[in-house]
Amino acid sequence: DAKTTQPPSMDCAEGRAANLPCNHSTISGNEYVYWYRQIHSQGPQYIIHGLKNNETNEMASLIITEDRKSSTLILPHATLRDTAVYYCIVSQVAGGTSYGKLTFGQGTILTVHP
Amino acid sequence: GAVVSQHPSRVICKSGTSVKIECRSLDFQATTMFWYRQFPKQSLMLMATSNEGSKATYEQGVEKDKFLINHASLTLSTLTVTSAHPEDSSFYICSARGGLTHTGELFFGEGSRLTVL
Repeated sequence: DAKTTQPPSMDCAEGRAANLPCNHSTISGNEYVYWYRQIHSQGPQYIIHGLKNNETNEMASLIITEDRKSSTLILPHATLRDTAVYYCIVSQVAGGTSYGKLTFGQGTILTVHP
Repeated sequence: GAVVSQHPSRVICKSGTSVKIECRSLDFQATTMFWYRQFPKQSLMLMATSNEGSKATYEQGVEKDKFLINHASLTLSTLTVTSAHPEDSSFYICSARGGLTHTGELFFGEGSRLTVL
């Protein structure tokens, strides 16, 4: 799997948008971009994933650059409960032999403050 | 959404004993499950890939005789830490992927915190 680079930490004010960047310059054509988050002492929680188009769900939006070498996770209105470690991961598309095998980096510690 | 459940969530055992952790997919059939380990202030590290009905595939540096994995059904994988020692104390997390149908989402259990005294 391709490696990703994320800032180690970010701060965000409650109610504002949190924009978390991720670089994945060596991503392959058959790899998706996944975002997970982990709140202290819990298992990772799926947020969103995408291949090349921007994606949006009830939790967040994912913006992937045209060259697919970077992406941004957007939490539109951050709350205190969004404080967590956010992991950006690239992994093979569903159906690939390595599908589901995720390599976690250090992630970004997002702190949402009042 | 799909749910993956782990049991127990916390376990404390004496050094030298064995501990079994269960990972269940509650509303889908998981042909493959993955076991991760996470030490304090560190990221998740993949230990092994568990395939239903076949032997698990272990990552480099993970002792297969110490961490026994069984995936006897499409909804259950177990991780047994044999002859546990204090250095095995960690947060163990499983994830599961579906079989024929899946949306691309991969689901994780709540994690099991093992403390070896």
